Amino acid sequence: SQQGEEDPQALSIQEGENATMNCSYKTSINNLQWYRQNSGRGLVHLILIRSNEREKHSGRLRVTLDTSKKSSSLLITASRAADTASYFCATDAPSGYSTLTFGKGTMLLVSP
Amino acid sequence: GAGVSQSPRYKVTKRGQDVALRCDPISGHVSLYWYRQALGQGPEFLTYFNYEAQQDKSGLPNDRFSAERPEGSISTLTIQRTEQRDSAMYRCASSRKGPQETQYFGPGTRLLVL
Repeated sequence: SQQGEEDPQALSIQEGENATMNCSYKTSINNLQWYRQNSGRGLVHLILIRSNEREKHSGRLRVTLDTSKKSSSLLITASRAADTASYFCATDAPSGYSTLTFGKGTMLLVSP
Repeated sequence: GAGVSQSPRYKVTKRGQDVALRCDPISGHVSLYWYRQALGQGPEFLTYFNYEAQQDKSGLPNDRFSAERPEGSISTLTIQRTEQRDSAMYRCASSRKGPQETQYFGPGTRLLVL
């Protein structure tokens, strides 16, 4: 079963605009990660945020985590056509042997 | 190698045949994971290894699916008596040590069962 649920399912914006995607999950987590998948290609790790962190930045990416609401958001600033991809959040539970549970993803289309 | 590699990249087989999918993780990575991804969905966990030990196989859908990693490096996912519903992208990932570290994914094997 998939724990993470991304919202929206699809997002269409113009180059230069910001894109915000949200992820909600159900059970306690240890980490939350965001991945990107371009059409027909593999999954690329973007950023990992730990449960004791609230915000993290990496280049044009900003991730927030609110464990009280069991939600995270991924903000891509100044989007580019190359950002067109599906974005997935993945969570792992606090137990040592837990593995990643992915959501269904948000499909982002950035038009030039 | 530079990243996780998988072979074959595409596999077309007839229903009832067995298939073996191979994963070569990043050198030195202790943990190796198998996922299955249906079109329009996120990856779903199948099984994972630390070294050669299979730590969790709870995601394997039934006993036609098995995986091994005999020397703690390359892994093989085997599907026996394939069925059409097994058609999907099968993805392998590895991490330095443990699932709570960043997982690096391979390009996947696209399996089509006719």
